[in-house]
Amino acid sequence: SQTIHQWPATLVQPVGSPLSLECTVEGTSNPNLYWYRQAAGRGLQLLFYSVGIGQISSEVPQNLSASRPQDRQFILSSKKLLLSDSGFYLCAWTNHYGYTFGSGTRLTVV
Amino acid sequence: SQQGEEDPQALSIQEGENATMNCSYKTSINNLQWYRQNSGRGLVHLILIRSNEREKHSGRLRVTLDTSKKSSSLLITASRAADTASYFCATVFQGGKLIFGQGTELSVKP
Repeated sequence: SQTIHQWPATLVQPVGSPLSLECTVEGTSNPNLYWYRQAAGRGLQLLFYSVGIGQISSEVPQNLSASRPQDRQFILSSKKLLLSDSGFYLCAWTNHYGYTFGSGTRLTVV
Repeated sequence: SQQGEEDPQALSIQEGENATMNCSYKTSINNLQWYRQNSGRGLVHLILIRSNEREKHSGRLRVTLDTSKKSSSLLITASRAADTASYFCATVFQGGKLIFGQGTELSVKP
């Protein structure tokens, strides 16, 4: 069956520290992959999406970057976190039949 | 902005009542989707309605789409306390990007 794994569930990081959030998908090949961020009480903002290995499209200018080193792996990174990077980060994938979301990572930058 | 916009932003009803949430969007679409998010959790896909459909049902959910008005509504009939969650509409744009509205926070009181 098709599943998506996202970890960690919660993360507290100091300002200026690096970040690496990982998302992996099972049971499908060549999916489109997405990273979203959700601020408290708000909708989801699309940060990055990828249609294939090494192909990353950035939707908004920001302090974050994304990489897709393998077909079913999508990584969200930052070299130096800002307070404004705090939020709920969601990974998602689609095979064009529907979108499936991970359980999310709540990042608090202190 | 390409995002959909939901109204109301928040809705509080009693168990057994119907809940109606609306979504408006700005550009032509192939389909419109509704998602549910329990507090602090990932999103769950509820229903998809294609641009050539006007109404769709799934259990207690009824979705309508009016492409001439660029709007959709989600009706939850006979609501239950367990329906308490945030509900988002989303539309798919070029490249498979799923863009969300700001959501409606539904509270169903027992």
